[in-house]
Amino acid sequence: KAGVTQTPRYLIKTRGQQVTLSCSPISGHRSVSWYQQTPGQGLQFLFEYFSETQRNKGNFPGRFSGRQFSNSRSEMNVSTLELGDSALYLCASSLSGIQETQYFGPGTRLLVL
Amino acid sequence: EDKVVQSPLSLVVHEGDTVTLNCSYEVTNFRSLLWYKQEKKAPTFLFMLTSSGIEKKSGRLSSILDKKELFSILNITATQTGDSAIYLCAVVFPSGSRLTFGEGTQLTVNP
Repeated sequence: KAGVTQTPRYLIKTRGQQVTLSCSPISGHRSVSWYQQTPGQGLQFLFEYFSETQRNKGNFPGRFSGRQFSNSRSEMNVSTLELGDSALYLCASSLSGIQETQYFGPGTRLLVL
Repeated sequence: EDKVVQSPLSLVVHEGDTVTLNCSYEVTNFRSLLWYKQEKKAPTFLFMLTSSGIEKKSGRLSSILDKKELFSILNITATQTGDSAIYLCAVVFPSGSRLTFGEGTQLTVNP
């Protein structure tokens, strides 16, 4: 079974731009969660999508948004990028939610200049 | 604010040593506590703990949860250089609505 895939793997943007990251979950998994990982803040929960609906949300500003498609693939969008948005963005999938074992993708490393 | 605290933040040992990593939390009611291992890539799942006092074991790794004292430990015996990684613990809240991670423990095992 293929694992969680994320594209792109690396990205460089400038302040003020926007970015869209993509995540394809393991086949059959309906829950996709997104996390931001930085050296200072560690791993922080962004949001979770299940059946095309955002089910849970962490404490991030509205510039961070996402969506999920009918095939469970998910995208995350960050608008008006700030330097502090430089981070590793990880997505994870599970059968039905974050209370279960989640399988992480390799991440997208975003650098904002 | 919900808080998950891991200690130590960093640990350097020699191959063959036994290590104990700690995770304490300030959440009195939660659904489960998870341990992950993160090398230079995505975190990989180690254990899920839901009941107090029941040890979970996988090879040289084991973990136990103490819900009364609000902490969990992860033990690694006979460490190997391949155990070098960041070990993360996370708490899942009752509704399954949120997952809070600790800062992680950076373990380095030297030959």
